[in-house]
Amino acid sequence: DIVMTQTPLSLSVTPGQPASISCKSSQSLLHSDGKTYLYWYLQKPGQSPHLLIYEVSSRFSGVPDRFSGSGSGTDFTLKISRVEAEDVGVYYCMQGIHPPPNTFGQGTKLEIK
Amino acid sequence: QVQLVESGGGVVQPGGSLRLSCAASGFTFSSYGIHWVRQAPGKGLDWVAFIHYDGSNKYYADSVKGRFTISRDNSKNMLYLQMNSLRAEDTAVYYCALIGPIVVANKWFDPWGEGTLVTVSS
Repeated sequence: DIVMTQTPLSLSVTPGQPASISCKSSQSLLHSDGKTYLYWYLQKPGQSPHLLIYEVSSRFSGVPDRFSGSGSGTDFTLKISRVEAEDVGVYYCMQGIHPPPNTFGQGTKLEIK
Repeated sequence: QVQLVESGGGVVQPGGSLRLSCAASGFTFSSYGIHWVRQAPGKGLDWVAFIHYDGSNKYYADSVKGRFTISRDNSKNMLYLQMNSLRAEDTAVYYCALIGPIVVANKWFDPWGEGTLVTVSS
């Protein structure tokens, strides 16, 4: 099975400062259809996860443009250009390559200083 | 309104069984593969199972293979998870979810349910 490794596991960021989360997969997530099925989710306290980024770098509807995703193959990054208080929660990368099994990273907890 | 609503959680003894349900609405359920994902208390997200749009293929995490069965009834817009031989480590909130966005009536959605809590304890 593909293993997803996130770093760091926790972040404490001053509002207005940038933040970056790395996600590495044990195998390439490039599918034969040409797409790379790497997703980023945010789970705010007490809520279900919600989608931020799909297929490495496509921002989901309504997600602020301070969030961006990049990477290819096995190395991926989520960046927040200027962290705001509402960004607190746990960020997960997930590989959705077909066929399953699909796997999540361990999660990165973002808190505000 | 695109919606997934789980039900069927509760407290069950080790070795027992439980069937979770997920009711889908607001989109063409029969067109999409769908997942079960769980989250143990205070822990991260854990993928459990996936079923193709027509039920033709099913996939499981190694931790549940042989004990859990995913199924769907497209005529009722329902997803199920039959859980047998339950263990304490199966204690979690169970979510049904479509991974990745879908478009319905020119609007984008990211369907996840609110989850249902399963507690395995004597």
